[in-house]
Amino acid sequence: DSGVTQTPKHLITATGQRVTLRCSPRSGDLSVYWYQQSLDQGLQFLIQYYNGEERAKGNILERFSAQQFPDLHSELNLSSLELGDSALYFCASSVSHSGNTIYFGEGSWLTVV
Amino acid sequence: SQQGEEDPQALSIQEGENATMNCSYKTSINNLQWYRQNSGRGLVHLILIRSNEREKHSGRLRVTLDTSKKSSSLLITASRAADTASYFCATDPGGAGSYQLTFGKGTKLSVIP
Repeated sequence: DSGVTQTPKHLITATGQRVTLRCSPRSGDLSVYWYQQSLDQGLQFLIQYYNGEERAKGNILERFSAQQFPDLHSELNLSSLELGDSALYFCASSVSHSGNTIYFGEGSWLTVV
Repeated sequence: SQQGEEDPQALSIQEGENATMNCSYKTSINNLQWYRQNSGRGLVHLILIRSNEREKHSGRLRVTLDTSKKSSSLLITASRAADTASYFCATDPGGAGSYQLTFGKGTKLSVIP
């Protein structure tokens, strides 16, 4: 158990819909990261927050957005969903904004039908 | 885009044998991390090796890093059926106060009892 908690574990939704994925980082970790894992693209970095502020942006679509709240939990919002958004979405956390071990949660399986 | 490339893509060995996986990357790095993923599950952190380190050990795991060749290897000794999983290397380019790990496509290890 990494200490990173993600909910929900699985969800199925229709195209065009919007979903929110939630993440609680490990106790004491200030950085939160979101990654997407799909069969064709592999593991892709989406976005990083550190202590509530956006630190880095990767291959995140404009239809996706994220935020980190004052209690350090984070949410990833996915809107206007398409079939190709079906993937495993990971949240991860680390103590600082760079250079340390990054711990991953178990992921949220999203299926868009 | 993938920075790290693992080799081989798949590896099948008998229980008790050693397994070696290699990772090559393209740009300079701050650190390199190895992760394990059981099918459809979360990523489990194995080892972090920094750019100024050449070798690290953790139990049955040995990781080497050759920055001149931009390559790393993960050795699992005396493999067990429970080691069956996909193994990923992830590189951190460092700098700029942000932290984007770039993952390879992974090596799928099968340990046959």
